[in-house]
Amino acid sequence: GENVEQHPSTLSVQEGDSAVIKCTYSDSASNYFPWYKQELGKRPQLIIDIRSNVGEKKDQRIAVTLNKTAKHFSLHITETQPEDSAVYFCAASKNTDKLIFGTGTRLQVFP
Amino acid sequence: DAGITQSPRHKVTETGTPVTLRCHQTENHRYMYWYRQDPGHGLRLIHYSYGVKDTDKGEVSDGYSVSRSKTEDFLLTLESATSSQTSVYFCAISRAGGTDTQYFGPGTRLTVL
Repeated sequence: GENVEQHPSTLSVQEGDSAVIKCTYSDSASNYFPWYKQELGKRPQLIIDIRSNVGEKKDQRIAVTLNKTAKHFSLHITETQPEDSAVYFCAASKNTDKLIFGTGTRLQVFP
Repeated sequence: DAGITQSPRHKVTETGTPVTLRCHQTENHRYMYWYRQDPGHGLRLIHYSYGVKDTDKGEVSDGYSVSRSKTEDFLLTLESATSSQTSVYFCAISRAGGTDTQYFGPGTRLTVL
């Protein structure tokens, strides 16, 4: 079955710097790659997603890139702010009923 | 937040007792999911449902059962709780399954002593 690995497990950056979180997946048939953000004590919420027919997608300060050949995708956050501090989860799916999540990255943005 | 609630929000129980967690949605979404969240493991799928009375196992289904008799309700049962089932449990709903947005409930913190 699908396996999703996520790195790093923790990431600390200075406010204003960029942050990059990387995920790899095992099943080349996967075609949907969402990213969820979970603030402390809250529920996970979708922040951006990308499908396999697109190489990059941007939404203001966040972007996701996909490399199908290497089977990895990344989340990029530019001009980080303290409110970006949270746990971020990547996930993958291949037109099936379920998502497989990575183990999460705890991002801390220091002022 | 989508119309999704979980009950109870917190529960402390003893090893060997049965426990049922409830997920209720008002969005009429077809898919419903139960995940557990543990440090270092992320979100792991326990069971999911793709329609009334239609359910399937996830990656960590041992020791859990589910039922969905109505579109709006998805129940997760621990027949005989163990300490390894101490976790935060999230329900999620989705209109179109794994390639669509999942909306999560607020979570249930379960402690098994």
